[in-house]
Amino acid sequence: EILLTQSPGTLSLSPGERATLSCRATQSVSITSLAWYQQKPGQAPRLLIYGASSRATDIPDRFSGSGSGTDFTLTISRLEPEDFAVYYCQQYGTSSVTFGGGTKVEIK
Amino acid sequence: EVQLFDSGGGFVQPGGSLRLSCAASGFTFSSYAMTWVRQAPGKGLEWVSAISPSSNSIYYTDSVKGRFTISRDNSKSTLYLHMNSLRAEDTAIYYCSKNLATGMAFYDSWGQGTLVTVSS
Repeated sequence: EILLTQSPGTLSLSPGERATLSCRATQSVSITSLAWYQQKPGQAPRLLIYGASSRATDIPDRFSGSGSGTDFTLTISRLEPEDFAVYYCQQYGTSSVTFGGGTKVEIK
Repeated sequence: EVQLFDSGGGFVQPGGSLRLSCAASGFTFSSYAMTWVRQAPGKGLEWVSAISPSSNSIYYTDSVKGRFTISRDNSKSTLYLHMNSLRAEDTAIYYCSKNLATGMAFYDSWGQGTLVTVSS
């Protein structure tokens, strides 16, 4: 099973700043199999990025994904107040799916 | 508009059973794989089980194999999760989710979640 480790655990930033979130896999992950989600308190997760770099429907272009192999990154170019949340990466294989532990982006 | 409505959660003693349901609308349910994801209180997301559009392919995470059964009724646009031999560690919010597209286990729509509490 491929495990995903996200870092940092918590990111303290101010609105307008750039956020860089990391997701590292224990084995190589196909770029077509990697996604990022945003989750706010009391809400279900929301798909942001799939296929490592494709934005989901209605996701603003300040969100971007990159990476390959075992290292993937979610970048939020300029944080808006509504972007403070927890972010999860996720990968899928032939018969299983794993999520990272999450990165909380909090207001500094 | 795609809508998923989770229901069936509740309080149950260890060893008990529950059946979760997810009523879908706003898309052709029979064309999409569906998935259950859970989240223990204050914890991260955990994939639980997935089912293909025609129920031909079914997958489970190891910790629920032999105890949980996923199923669907395409005529009713409803997804189910039958949970038996429940344990304290199964306590979580359970979300149903719709796969983005065939062959892509990404989840672009989610239910609101239903809370399952296993405790004596």
